[in-house]
Amino acid sequence: AQSVTQLGSHVSVSEGALVLLRCNYSSSVPPYLFWYVQYPNQGLQLLLKYTSAATLVKGINGFEAEFKKSETSFHLTKPSAHMSDAAEYFCAVSERGGSYIPTFGRGTSLIVHP
Amino acid sequence: DVKVTQSSRYLVKRTGEKVFLECVQDMDHENMFWYRQDPGLGLRLIYFSYDVKMKEKGDIPEGYSVSREKKERFSLILESASTNQTSMYLCASSQHTNPNTEAFFGQGTRLTVV
Repeated sequence: AQSVTQLGSHVSVSEGALVLLRCNYSSSVPPYLFWYVQYPNQGLQLLLKYTSAATLVKGINGFEAEFKKSETSFHLTKPSAHMSDAAEYFCAVSERGGSYIPTFGRGTSLIVHP
Repeated sequence: DVKVTQSSRYLVKRTGEKVFLECVQDMDHENMFWYRQDPGLGLRLIYFSYDVKMKEKGDIPEGYSVSREKKERFSLILESASTNQTSMYLCASSQHTNPNTEAFFGQGTRLTVV
């Protein structure tokens, strides 16, 4: 079964610093990978998704992620953090046991200091 | 604008009460999901449905049931609410036949059982 692991439950950066949120996947076949963001007291919304058309995927709000098969990773980055980026970030796969069931990592809380 | 709407943002219920959480989507999606979100545990799947009157147990179905009488509506039922069911509940929907499409989420219902 496909799964994802997010390293680090909390990541703290200063405003203007690089953001790096880590996600590793476990799959024997190329997975369908997603990053979602959740702002306080909100539902999740899509940041970006891997479509296999390109290994570097650009998303909303300046975020991007690179699919690396050799490392089984799909890390999320942003060159310069903004205060408004403070949120919970979830990596996800869309398939589990042959069914299309979104399955999420445990989430990483991004804290941005002024 | 596509939408998943959960009937309540906040609910306070007493132990032993029967609780209904309602979710409606307007995207004609076949798949609908109920997740529970707790700090440090990420999103855990309670139940999902891929068609009207169809339901499948997720990872933590105990103490819950679901109903899907119409394609657009998916209800989560707490048969006898307990304090350990205090949590954030998230409803989502997605297309059934395309694993590369994202899930769309409601705003969440924060349930407190006292």
